[in-house]
Amino acid sequence: QQQVKQSPQSLIVQKGGISIINCAYENTAFDYFPWYQQFPGKGPALLIAIRPDVSEKKEGRFTISFNKSAKQFSLHIMDSQPGDSATYFCAANNAGNMLTFGGGTRLMVKP
Amino acid sequence: DAGITQSPRHKVTETGTPVTLRCHQTENHRYMYWYRQDPGHGLRLIHYSYGVKDTDKGEVSDGYSVSRSKTEDFLLTLESATSSQTSVYFCATGQGRATYEQYFGPGTRLTVT
Repeated sequence: QQQVKQSPQSLIVQKGGISIINCAYENTAFDYFPWYQQFPGKGPALLIAIRPDVSEKKEGRFTISFNKSAKQFSLHIMDSQPGDSATYFCAANNAGNMLTFGGGTRLMVKP
Repeated sequence: DAGITQSPRHKVTETGTPVTLRCHQTENHRYMYWYRQDPGHGLRLIHYSYGVKDTDKGEVSDGYSVSRSKTEDFLLTLESATSSQTSVYFCATGQGRATYEQYFGPGTRLTVT
């Protein structure tokens, strides 16, 4: 069972455009919602994370929007660049120190 | 991921053979994790460790065992490899204070023929 559902599976965006990736979760006990970025041949790396009592968090061109009532959160990448081309994973953390990951989104930013 | 290494990086093995993957960290992190990554499934937790000799099962632990005899080393063993265990395996570590922040190794690509 997949407790965190991510969409779309792949995304193509023009340089300078906005990339939007969505996730939905089921377990209300999750206490943090991180996003990880993975380049080909590398392990994932933490990009940005949000707590469920915050509706939005911004770090540079990356913003997480969080809707607690709908149990949904999304990653927005503003002014997308070719260097942002990677696979993005949303995740949810529980108090048992475990992360549950979404299925991943492969982003391609065309120059 | 400079402080986390995995060995081997690539391995091809036959069905029914035992396989051990090694994760080594120099970060002195308390938590260590083993994940497998498959298309469409993201990363799924196999086993994790919260200290030396302290381990627990994750979401997809069947067919896998782990051991941690030192802080820096976490071993994943496939007792009798099957084709369904063909995957990319990632080790990760965490300090424990913010468990959503995990640091991943470079991965091991395992093919079971």
